[in-house]
Amino acid sequence: SQQGEEDPQALSIQEGENATMNCSYKTSINNLQWYRQNSGRGLVHLILIRSNEREKHSGRLRVTLDTSKKSSSLLITASRAADTASYFCATETGTASKLTFGTGTRLQVTL
Amino acid sequence: DTGVSQDPRHKITKRGQNVTFRCDPISEHNRLYWYRQTLGQGPEFLTYFQNEAQLEKSRLLSDRFSAERPKGSFSTLEIQRTEQGDSAMYLCASSRPHLRGANVLTFGAGSRLTVL
Repeated sequence: SQQGEEDPQALSIQEGENATMNCSYKTSINNLQWYRQNSGRGLVHLILIRSNEREKHSGRLRVTLDTSKKSSSLLITASRAADTASYFCATETGTASKLTFGTGTRLQVTL
Repeated sequence: DTGVSQDPRHKITKRGQNVTFRCDPISEHNRLYWYRQTLGQGPEFLTYFQNEAQLEKSRLLSDRFSAERPKGSFSTLEIQRTEQGDSAMYLCASSRPHLRGANVLTFGAGSRLTVL
């Protein structure tokens, strides 16, 4: 089953614009991670935020976490065509050693 | 460190045939995961190993599916008597626990299965 749901399902923006995607999840978490997947390829880890953190930055990425609302957002600033991909949130919960992935947001960045 | 390798990258088979996928994780990673991903969906957990021990299996993993990780190195995922519903991308990932326990996965490129 999918723990998280991303919103929107698809997003199309122009190069240079910012992209924001949201993730909602159902149960308490230890941490939440964001991964990127280029078409037909494996996933690549982008950033991790722990349950006691509210915001993290990495390069052009900014992640926020609101545990009271069980939601997270990923902001990509100054987007580039190379950012075109699907983005997934994933949660690690309790003592489970697995990650549970959301349904993904497909981002299209056009020139 | 050559990353996580999966073989084959693509497999086309007829319904009822058996298929086997292989995953070679990053050598120092003690955890290995199998996920399945269908078009437009996120990866769904199938099973994971810590060293050679299979510690958790999803209910998605029917009795036609079996995974092994002999000697705690590479892993194989076998699907017996394939069905059209088994068509998907099978993703392998490996990890070692980070400081303070967070589990970050490194994925392979996946093995795409098409069952005709």
